[in-house]
Amino acid sequence: EIVLTQSPGTLSLSPGERATLSCRASQRVTGNYLAWYQQKPGQAPRLLIFDASRRATDIPDRFSGSGSGTDFTLTISRLEPEDFAAYYCQQYGSSLPNTFGQGTNLEFK
Amino acid sequence: EVQLVESGGGLVQPGGSLRLSCAASGFTVSSDYMIWVRQAPGRGLEWVSLIYSDGNTKYADSVKGRFTISRDISKNTVFLQMNSLRPEDTAVYFCAKDDYGAYWGQGTLVTVSS
Repeated sequence: EIVLTQSPGTLSLSPGERATLSCRASQRVTGNYLAWYQQKPGQAPRLLIFDASRRATDIPDRFSGSGSGTDFTLTISRLEPEDFAAYYCQQYGSSLPNTFGQGTNLEFK
Repeated sequence: EVQLVESGGGLVQPGGSLRLSCAASGFTVSSDYMIWVRQAPGRGLEWVSLIYSDGNTKYADSVKGRFTISRDISKNTVFLQMNSLRPEDTAVYFCAKDDYGAYWGQGTLVTVSS
């Protein structure tokens, strides 16, 4: 099973700042099949990025994904108030079981 | 427009059973992968099960042998049959389209408690 470790656990920033979230895998993620989700309290997760760097439909371009192999990054170039939420990475594809990271909580500073 | 609506959650005693449903619209469940993901109160996301477009199925070790994923193409619905439920199965259960969760339902709460 691939274990995904997200860091930091909590990130305290202000609107307008840049956010960098990390997701490290215990072994290579096949095909770079790595997704990022945003989740707000009481809501379902929302897909932001898939295949490590492809933005999902209607996702603003301030969100970007990068990385390959075992190290992946979600970058939010300039934080908007609505971006403060929890973020999860997930590896999918042929490496079963598919797994999620434990999450990063992005909070107001 | 793609929509997913889960139902079937509720309170059940340990050892009991529930069947969750995920009604889909805007696409055909047999043409895509479908997954179930759960989230225990105050915790992160946990992948539970997957059904491929060819009907093959996969499970997390924590539910293998107790949960069964299936689909009814005529109803365009995916199911999660949950047997031998344990308190640690208490969670909101989400269904999602594609193994990378392109679209999600709103979730249904399952509480396992005596």
